[in-house]
Parts: sequence; structure tokens; C-alpha cells
Amino acid sequence: QVQVVQSGAEVKKPGASVKVSCKTSGYPFTKYGFSWVRQAPGQGLEWMGWISAYNGNTNYAQKFQGRITMTTDTSTTTAYMELRSLRSDDTAVYYCVREGGDNTAYYFLYWGQGTLVTVSS
Amino acid sequence: DIQMTQSPSSLSASVGDRVTITCRASQSISRSLNWYQQKPGKAPKLLMYAISSLQTGVPSRFSGSGSGTDFTLTISSLQPEDYGTYYCQQSYSTTKTFGQGTRVEIK
Repeated sequence: QVQVVQSGAEVKKPGASVKVSCKTSGYPFTKYGFSWVRQAPGQGLEWMGWISAYNGNTNYAQKFQGRITMTTDTSTTTAYMELRSLRSDDTAVYYCVREGGDNTAYYFLYWGQGTLVTVSS
Repeated sequence: DIQMTQSPSSLSASVGDRVTITCRASQSISRSLNWYQQKPGKAPKLLMYAISSLQTGVPSRFSGSGSGTDFTLTISSLQPEDYGTYYCQQSYSTTKTFGQGTRVEIK
């Protein structure tokens, strides 16, 4: 069965960077891409961007352009999301999501358990 | 970016009630509309994709309809385990966006 397991909670100071990992198993890693979605406390879901596990192509939400990097490591079947220049309003639960679908539909199918990132001085 | 607007933002209904949540896109998104359910402290779960296709394991009391810009998620007979927040999401554009969520409470 497909598993998506994220790294543990992080506490960072403003201006620092955080790198969240997402270890997957149970399917051919390069067949599907990943999105990262975050959720601030008490708020809704915010899509941050996408990476292809096949060729590393990325598509970042404009809001995060310049301070986000998504990568994958096919040898360890792990996806990563790094966010730099952290601010207090980056405090959120960050989800790694493996996509699903085909040419007719695309959706967020397998969600990691979430990683709480707290930004505080 | 395509904006997704859900209504209502919250509702309270009794077990057995028929519940309807609507989602409107700022432009036509064809059939690229998905629904998720999120329970407190948990990751969202896919309920429905491509407007009306039920994800495996989701009870048949959930259904979806709509086209173009206006979509609906219906729970035909609300059950106690259906509490949580429901989100619509468009996958039409390369920038994916979610609705703001509809919180469902059981009376």
C-alpha cells in the first residue's frame, strides 16, 4: 500500500529556513508528482507548488517564488520542500501530497500526516 | 489565479438531513473539480474527483454535481461521522486552488 510519511515538527526563528521531508513507498516513485499544501492554524488549505518525481520539473505558487525549493531523491523515494526567510505567518502544518489521476482527472490522493512548522523568536 | 468560493462557510444539521455545499469558480474549470473532507487534527481525505466520481471507499451518500463554474457536494443523509470541514479544489490550472472550506457540525 502507498505510504507517505513526513518528518517531524520544527521550531524556527524568523529569517531561518526549514526543510521538510516526505518519504514514500508502495508504488513506482517516478510515476507521480507531489504537491505541498499548507494550513495555518484555524485556516484553510493553501497550495504551495508541485514537483515532478519523473524529471524534477517544478511549478511554484507565485506567493512563494524565490523562497521555496522542492526537490526529490529517487534513490530514497523522498520528496523535500525547503522554505527560506521564514516569517511568523509561515507557522502552519505543511502537507506533502502525492497526486493521483490520469489524463482526464487530477487530484490530491495520498496525504502525509503533516509537519507542524512553528516560526517564533 | 482561479478563485474558488464555497458556501455556506459553516452549517449545523441533524443526522438524516440532506446537506448541500456549493462551490463556485471564478472561471470555467470544465470537470476539474475535487472535494476533500478534513477532520480536526487530521490530513484532508479525497472524497470526490472530476465533479462526481466517488473515491474508493467513500460512502454512496456523498454525491457531486455541476459543470463549468458551479458545483455542488451533497450528503443525502447526514451521519454522525460526517462532521468536519469540506473543501473544493480546482485542478484545471497549473496553479491549484482550494475553496475556503465549509465546516459541518452535527446537531
